[in-house]
Amino acid sequence: NAGVTQTPKFRVLKTGQSMTLLCAQDMNHEYMYWYRQDPGMGLRLIHYSVGEGTTAKGEVPDGYNVSRLKKQNFLLGLESAAPSQTSVYFCASSLADSKNYEQYFGPGTRLTVT
Amino acid sequence: TQLLEQSPQFLSIQEGENLTVYCNSSSVFSSLQWYRQEPGEGPVLLVTVVTGGEVKKLKRLTFQFGDARKDSSLHITAAQPGDTGLYLCAGHSGGSNYKLTFGKGTLLTVNP
Repeated sequence: NAGVTQTPKFRVLKTGQSMTLLCAQDMNHEYMYWYRQDPGMGLRLIHYSVGEGTTAKGEVPDGYNVSRLKKQNFLLGLESAAPSQTSVYFCASSLADSKNYEQYFGPGTRLTVT
Repeated sequence: TQLLEQSPQFLSIQEGENLTVYCNSSSVFSSLQWYRQEPGEGPVLLVTVVTGGEVKKLKRLTFQFGDARKDSSLHITAAQPGDTGLYLCAGHSGGSNYKLTFGKGTLLTVNP
């Protein structure tokens, strides 16, 4: 099993450009999450999904959109990138039957917006 | 809003030393998880503690959940350079809350 994979690993965007980050998991997990990690700020939840076709806002959703058309994939979109969105983005998934919602993370995407 | 405070924020020690890092909150959690994140990688789950006063051991790592389920500690015995990384605690408030509350982490460097 590959677990949670993310593409791309690195990306540089100019202000105003758009892009989509792809997260895929092969563990049949129901729940999926997108976080951003910035120095001194910890992990902050952007959006999450509790099942195929459903999404919900997290702590810092502004400037991002998400879609979960298939259970195994969770896409994060930036419609008009801003320098403030320079960060490392992590996707995670967890099993619905897990009482404690332990999360399994991907390796991250390092995004720079100039 | 539930918060988890981790201390210290940074810790640099020599190989062979012992250390303890802390994760504290004013809120009660139904369970608490510890993750380790190595440079350039995503966090990896180390352990989950669910019962107040619970102690779990993972080789040289000892995890304890406070009696009141508001705090936790991680003790590493005879640290090795391979223990270097960011240690994150995360709490689950229970029920059908799908989200975890993460602390900001302790960045541990073990020097050879």
